[in-house]
Order: sequence, then structure tokens, then C-alpha cells
Amino acid sequence: GENVEQHPSTLSVQEGDSAVIKCTYSDSASNYFPWYKQELGKRPQLIIDIRSNVGEKKDQRIAVTLNKTAKHFSLHITETQPEDSAVYFCAVDNYGQNFVFGPGTRLSVLP
Amino acid sequence: NAGVTQTPKFQVLKTGQSMTLQCAQDMNHEYMSWYRQDPGMGLRLIHYSVGAGITDQGEVPNGYNVSRSTTEDFPLRLLSAAPSQTSVYFCASSTQRGTEAFFGQGTRLTVV
Repeated sequence: GENVEQHPSTLSVQEGDSAVIKCTYSDSASNYFPWYKQELGKRPQLIIDIRSNVGEKKDQRIAVTLNKTAKHFSLHITETQPEDSAVYFCAVDNYGQNFVFGPGTRLSVLP
Repeated sequence: NAGVTQTPKFQVLKTGQSMTLQCAQDMNHEYMSWYRQDPGMGLRLIHYSVGAGITDQGEVPNGYNVSRSTTEDFPLRLLSAAPSQTSVYFCASSTQRGTEAFFGQGTRLTVV
């Protein structure tokens, strides 16, 4: 089955700095890669996603890059703000039985 | 438009009891799924459905049953609760596989 690793598990940055979270996966058939944000006690919410035929996607301060050859994709948050503090999960979907989430990264943005 | 609604929000069960977690969506989504969330392990797929009458197992299906008699509802049944099933359960729906998943507010289940 699919194996998804996510690093780092915790990340602290100063407000205004950039944050990068990286995920690696094992199944080369996977072709959909979303990122979810979960605030404390809340439900996960999609923040950005990318498909296998695209190398990069941006939405304001958030971007995702995908390297299918190396089987990894990364979330980039620029100009971080305190409200970016949350747990971020990557996920990998091969459209089969496997829709696998990474273990999460707890991001803290320090004022 | 309520989105995805889960009930109950909290539940305590004794070992061996059975119960059903309810999930309903009003977005006419075909794809629905159930996850459990445990500390440090992300969300793990329990069961999923690609449409009414069709269900399939995910990564961790043992001890759980599902059915999908309507597009709107996707209940999760715990057959005989065990302490290992203590977790937070999320239901999610999307128009189809590979599109944005909308999550319910979660059910925090404790099995004693």
C-alpha cells in the first residue's frame, strides 16, 4: 500500500518568514495531492491541491510543488501570519483503496 | 446548506457495545468516506463509497461496517466496541474522487 512521510513534524517560524513542509510517497500511480489545514478542535479544510500533470500551483501566499520523478511534494507558505498556526496534513490519492494522509506538521507562527 | 453533518459530537461506550455514527451531506456528493484520527498518525481511511449502494474498504476497516442506501447518508457502525477504537472520527464527502473533500465536525469516541 501507499506510504506517506511528512517532515518536519513540528515547525516554528517568526511572523513574516516562510514555512516549507515536505511529503514523500511510495506509489508511483498516485495522481492527486491535496493539503489540508486543521486548527485546534476543528475539522480539516482543504487549502490547496495539485494533480500529477502539474508541477506547481499557487494561491496567494500558498504554493505547492510536485516532483513526480522523486515522488515528493511540498507546501510553501510565504509571509506567515499568526492565523497560519495549525496542523497541516498532506494526502496522496491513487484513486483506489488508498487515500493516505501524512502524520501532520504542527506549524507555530511566533509574533 | 449545512454541508456535512455528523452526530453525535461526543460518545462514551463500554467495551462490547455497538453504536452507529451518523453522517449526512446536502451537497449531492457521490463520494463519501470515514476516517479515524489518532495522535501522530494523521487520518486513516476506514471505508468509502462512490455512490448509493456501493461501498468499499479503506486502510483500517476491521471492526466497522458501513452502508449507503441514499446519496445523502453514510452511517458507520461499530459492531463490538473495543478500547482501540477510541479516536476522533470524521466523515467527508466530495463530488468525486480527486476533488476537495468537505469534512464533518467530527465525533470524539471513547471506549472504556
